[in-house]
Amino acid sequence: NAGVTQTPKFQVLKTGQSMTLQCAQDMNHEYMSWYRQDPGMGLRLIHYSVGAGITDQGEVPNGYNVSRSTTEDFPLRLLSAAPSQTSVYFCASRGGTALDGYTFGSGTRLTVV
Amino acid sequence: RKEVEQDPGPFNVPEGATVAFNCTYSNSASQSFFWYRQDCRKEPKLLMSVYSSGNEDGRFTAQLNRASQYISLLIRDSKLSDSATYLCVVNIGYSGGGADGLTFGKGTHLIIQP
Repeated sequence: NAGVTQTPKFQVLKTGQSMTLQCAQDMNHEYMSWYRQDPGMGLRLIHYSVGAGITDQGEVPNGYNVSRSTTEDFPLRLLSAAPSQTSVYFCASRGGTALDGYTFGSGTRLTVV
Repeated sequence: RKEVEQDPGPFNVPEGATVAFNCTYSNSASQSFFWYRQDCRKEPKLLMSVYSSGNEDGRFTAQLNRASQYISLLIRDSKLSDSATYLCVVNIGYSGGGADGLTFGKGTHLIIQP
């Protein structure tokens, strides 16, 4: 099992550009979510999904879109990148038992200039 | 979504000592509770889930007090490899669907000194 795979690992964007951060899991997990981590802020939930075709907003959704067309994939789209979106982005997934906890991908370090 | 509060530290502790971390959470709808460990520039990794009756995993013991909305982690016989940031985490989700996603504390930085 590869677990949760995120690509790319590093990305530099110019202000106004759009891009998609990829996330895939091979554990047949129903639940997936995206987080951003900024210095002094801790990890914050951007969007989450409780199954294919079902997504909802987290704490900081503005500027991001998601979709969940398959169980395996949960891409995060930046519509028009801003310097405030410079961050480390983590994708995570879990199975049906909440106490199993989420497994995280290794992250994408995004810089918007 | 409400907050999870924890002491940021750093906690400087000699090798072999016992160290305890605490956190409080404000959302009474929280359903599941965890301690994650995060090493510098790495992803968070699940250290242990926290059960209502308390639970132990080797040198690690976690306790939950739902009435006080308080979670604790005890590390016994600390090792140099325990140096990391420890994240207190809650989830309002459960096993039956509905809202989900983790709320994180900002982490407690632990440094084990030889």
